[in-house]
Amino acid sequence: GNSVTQMEGPVTLSEEAFLTINCTYTATGYPSLFWYVQYPGEGLQLLLKATKADDKGSNKGFEATYRKETTSFHLEKGSVQVSDSAVYFCALIANDYKLSFGAGTTVTVRA
Amino acid sequence: EAGVTQFPSHSVIEKGQTVTLRCDPISGHDNLYWYRRVMGKEIKFLLHFVKESKQDESGMPNNRFLAERTGGTYSTLKVQPAELEDSGVYFCASSPVWEGEQYFGPGTRLTVT
Repeated sequence: GNSVTQMEGPVTLSEEAFLTINCTYTATGYPSLFWYVQYPGEGLQLLLKATKADDKGSNKGFEATYRKETTSFHLEKGSVQVSDSAVYFCALIANDYKLSFGAGTTVTVRA
Repeated sequence: EAGVTQFPSHSVIEKGQTVTLRCDPISGHDNLYWYRRVMGKEIKFLLHFVKESKQDESGMPNNRFLAERTGGTYSTLKVQPAELEDSGVYFCASSPVWEGEQYFGPGTRLTVT
């Protein structure tokens, strides 16, 4: 079956630090990959996505590259802000409509 | 345009009681999904509606859970009787087409004591 493994948190950073959240996956076929974010008190929001190998998704300064050879989709941001404090979920869809999620990584950015 | 809404935002009930969660999808979205996150673990798929029909309920944990979507608009998820392991956050999502982006609601946090 499909599965997503992402680095466990919590992660605590200072403002302007570099953020990386590792994500690897197992899937049949050619999945589409996603990063969702949940800010405090809000719903899950799609942060970025990539639908084929070597695609790079980007949004709000975050980037992730679909690496088929390493089955990875690591999330990166060069300089985080306090407003980036949230829970980040890596997810995939493979051959159907069901999203398969990782366990989530809680990120706290301190001023 | 209003997003996906869920009610209540938080529910605390005792073991053995019944709880009904509600989801209002984005207007015009035929596809509605329920997911659940238990104990800070991964978010897992529960079921999928296309309009009022259950397309896939393979993720429903057991027969204590009943989902409905009368008229193809809002959906309810009833847990009866609730058990301790049902505690978690229940998310609803909707999409205009089955392979389109899924838009999520804020979730309902269910605590069973």
